[in-house]
Amino acid sequence: GAVVSQHPSWVICKSGTSVKIECRSLDFQATTMFWYRQFPKQSLMLMATSNEGSKATYEQGVEKDKFLINHASLTLSTLTVTSAHPEDSSFYICSGTLQLGSYETQYFGPGTRLLVL
Amino acid sequence: SQQGEEDPQALSIQEGENATMNCSYKTSINNLQWYRQNSGRGLVHLILIRSNEREKHSGRLRVTLDTSKKSSSLLITASRAADTASYFCVPNQGGKLIFGQGTELSVKP
Repeated sequence: GAVVSQHPSWVICKSGTSVKIECRSLDFQATTMFWYRQFPKQSLMLMATSNEGSKATYEQGVEKDKFLINHASLTLSTLTVTSAHPEDSSFYICSGTLQLGSYETQYFGPGTRLLVL
Repeated sequence: SQQGEEDPQALSIQEGENATMNCSYKTSINNLQWYRQNSGRGLVHLILIRSNEREKHSGRLRVTLDTSKKSSSLLITASRAADTASYFCVPNQGGKLIFGQGTELSVKP
């Protein structure tokens, strides 16, 4: 159980276009979803926290107008990279929080590799 | 939120040997979680240890937690080449998780 999927798994786009990445919790309801970015040889960097039905909370230095997050339901969050540029090329990973009693565990998706030409 | 500091940054062992990774953190926690990431892949949740627990086992994994020293360790026994990955410890006070640099484990066949 506790599976998170992402779609697409990889995408190549031209500079200036927008790309939408979907994150779904398949067998549980995720009250909170998180979006991370990971550059080669680096650790995961938290971009934003997404709660169903409310605006996302962005980490310092992450442009909210560039990385649009929509959390339409308890099982779906989307990240749209608007007007993508080559420096946005990265590995984007989402996670969903599963509440078990008083403890929370985050389950991660397989990631989406974005290449902007 | 806080991140864990893993040590060593890199570890190379032979198949069959045990691998020990350490983690330190700074402030009190509700629980501490260990994750594994294979190269270019998503993260796999390995184990969660609660602040009132001292040791936990899962298969070949053994995790300890010392809240007085604010440290944890992950032991992988009888390692396999498939254990080659990066391992992250994540102290959790609730809410968002912040990742450190991890320990890069290489298990040679």
